[in-house]
Amino acid sequence: DVKVTQSSRYLVKRTGEKVFLECVQDMDHENMFWYRQDPGLGLRLIYFSYDVKMKEKGDIPEGYSVSREKKERFSLILESASTNQTSMYLCASRYSNEQYFGPGTRLTVT
Amino acid sequence: AQSVTQPDIHITVSEGASLELRCNYSYGATPYLFWYVQSPGQGLQLLLKYFSGDTLVQGIKGFEAEFKRSQSSFNLRKPSVHWSDAAEYFCAVVLMDSSYKLIFGSGTRLLVRP
Repeated sequence: DVKVTQSSRYLVKRTGEKVFLECVQDMDHENMFWYRQDPGLGLRLIYFSYDVKMKEKGDIPEGYSVSREKKERFSLILESASTNQTSMYLCASRYSNEQYFGPGTRLTVT
Repeated sequence: AQSVTQPDIHITVSEGASLELRCNYSYGATPYLFWYVQSPGQGLQLLLKYFSGDTLVQGIKGFEAEFKRSQSSFNLRKPSVHWSDAAEYFCAVVLMDSSYKLIFGSGTRLLVRP
């Protein structure tokens, strides 16, 4: 079974803090993704990576950056958290044409 | 541009009743289509997928979906809904370029009446 884990289920941060969201997959998948989920908007792609140290912007990259130093780990970074980044964040990894999702991190920025 | 539309934000059905959730897509080539379910506080679980072949696909938990190219639709169905089916359902299409990113609909929240 594919396992995608995210470091935190719930996170509360203050405005201006630097925030790291971690995602780990155990299946040696090359492609990994970070999505943001908001009510009425579905899931929107923030960034994706197709290999170590390779990254591409998704549809809503503003205010975010990513890091992929090892194949199994893909980190999402909020350089200076803002209240409009309060959301659910979902990580996924891809094998063939299918994506496998982690349980999500609900981030609240106050 | 590629897009996925789920026209129903909420649907309420009685337990034991049949269910159909609508999904329409806009995509230039043959789409690869998915339905995911998200229970409260959980990640996304794949219900079923369509890549090619038989246009009626079977998934987990008794769900099925039918791909209709002429209508650009991929509606999800279940003949008899259980209370545990209450969740949010997302339709998605994958971009078959180097990104393989998923384009999601906005979701349909299913409520089940006892």
